[in-house]
Amino acid sequence: KAGVTQTPRYLIKTRGQQVTLSCSPISGHRSVSWYQQTPGQGLQFLFEYFSETQRNKGNFPGRFSGRQFSNSRSEMNVSTLELGDSALYLCASSTQETQYFGPGTRLLVL
Amino acid sequence: QKEVEQNSGPLSVPEGAIASLNCTYSDRGSQSFFWYRQYSGKSPELIMSIYSNGDKEDGRFTAQLNKASQYVSLLIRDSQPSDSATYLCAVNGAAGNKLTFGGGTRVLVKP
Repeated sequence: KAGVTQTPRYLIKTRGQQVTLSCSPISGHRSVSWYQQTPGQGLQFLFEYFSETQRNKGNFPGRFSGRQFSNSRSEMNVSTLELGDSALYLCASSTQETQYFGPGTRLLVL
Repeated sequence: QKEVEQNSGPLSVPEGAIASLNCTYSDRGSQSFFWYRQYSGKSPELIMSIYSNGDKEDGRFTAQLNKASQYVSLLIRDSQPSDSATYLCAVNGAAGNKLTFGGGTRVLVKP
């Protein structure tokens, strides 16, 4: 099976802009979770979608949002970007409890 | 207190030796536990999952879980230079998939 794919892989934005990241899960996986990884805070959970519904949410401001489509593909959006949003954004898909990560999208906010 | 704690390392081990990594967690309701390996610049790669008390072996890796002590460990036998990476302990307590990660332990295997 193909693994989790994420697009784009790299992104440069400026403060105040918004960004949309995309994730395609492993075929048959209905759960998609998003994480942010920074050197200072490590890996932090953003949210999880299952069958197009948000099932879990982390402690991030409302500028961070997501959605899931009927084919299980997911997008996350960050509005009004801040310098501190520079990070590696990871998507993980799972069929039961085990999560498999995609390659990530590296976002740099200038 | 962090929810999942790991020694940041680096843990330096000679090639062929056993590397021992530890992780403690605070949520007694946690149900499933995972070890991921992350090479620099790459995404986490699943090594082991463990759900019940005791040991679980997979090749050169052994995970140990003690829920009473809220403790998870990972042993890497016959360590190889290719094992040099950051090892992340992750805990899932909620319904659904919401992993809480430790800060990771950097392992250096020296030839």
